[in-house]
Amino acid sequence: DAKTTQPPSMDCAEGRAANLPCNHSTISGNEYVYWYRQIHSQGPQYIIHGLKNNETNEMASLIITEDRKSSTLILPHATLRDTAVYYCIVRASNNAGNMLTFGGGTRLMVKP
Amino acid sequence: ETGVTQSPTHLIKTRGQQVTLRCSSQSGHNTVSWYQQALGQGPQFIFQYYREEENGRGNFPPRFSGLQFPNYSSELNVNALELDDSALYLCASSLFTGAREQYFGPGTRLTVT
Repeated sequence: DAKTTQPPSMDCAEGRAANLPCNHSTISGNEYVYWYRQIHSQGPQYIIHGLKNNETNEMASLIITEDRKSSTLILPHATLRDTAVYYCIVRASNNAGNMLTFGGGTRLMVKP
Repeated sequence: ETGVTQSPTHLIKTRGQQVTLRCSSQSGHNTVSWYQQALGQGPQFIFQYYREEENGRGNFPPRFSGLQFPNYSSELNVNALELDDSALYLCASSLFTGAREQYFGPGTRLTVT
């Protein structure tokens, strides 16, 4: 699975959009981009995933560049409860196992 | 529908001892994976079980072993504990192996002294 690069930390004002970037320049054609987050003292939580089209669900939006070398997770209206470590993970669609390769993630701090 | 549960929440062991951690998968999930998360780092994949068989393993020594039971609950066993084994141990279940979404439990915090 391809490696990802994320900024170690970011701040966001409550109520504003949080845009979390991720670089995955070595991504292959059959690899998906996944986002998980881990709130303090909890296990990671699935947020969203995509292949090449932009995706949106009730939690967030995922924007993937046309060359698929980078992506951005958008939390449209961040709240204090969104303070967490956000992990961008690249995973092959033919990865029959469940192995997720977590990097260091981005620690997002939402401030009042 | 109950989520993934793990027990115990915390425990303290001495170097050289053995430990067993337990995980109950989400209802209907037949695949469970175990991860180790050292302080300040992302989780690292230990292994995965599907229908009571190990079918994937990360870069962990054989003293890390596991079991999955017919009801899909699981155990992680670690023998000859080392100080570096101190970590949060997470289990995650999914509907089937390769499923897009995995559901993580809250973890067991192991401290080895």
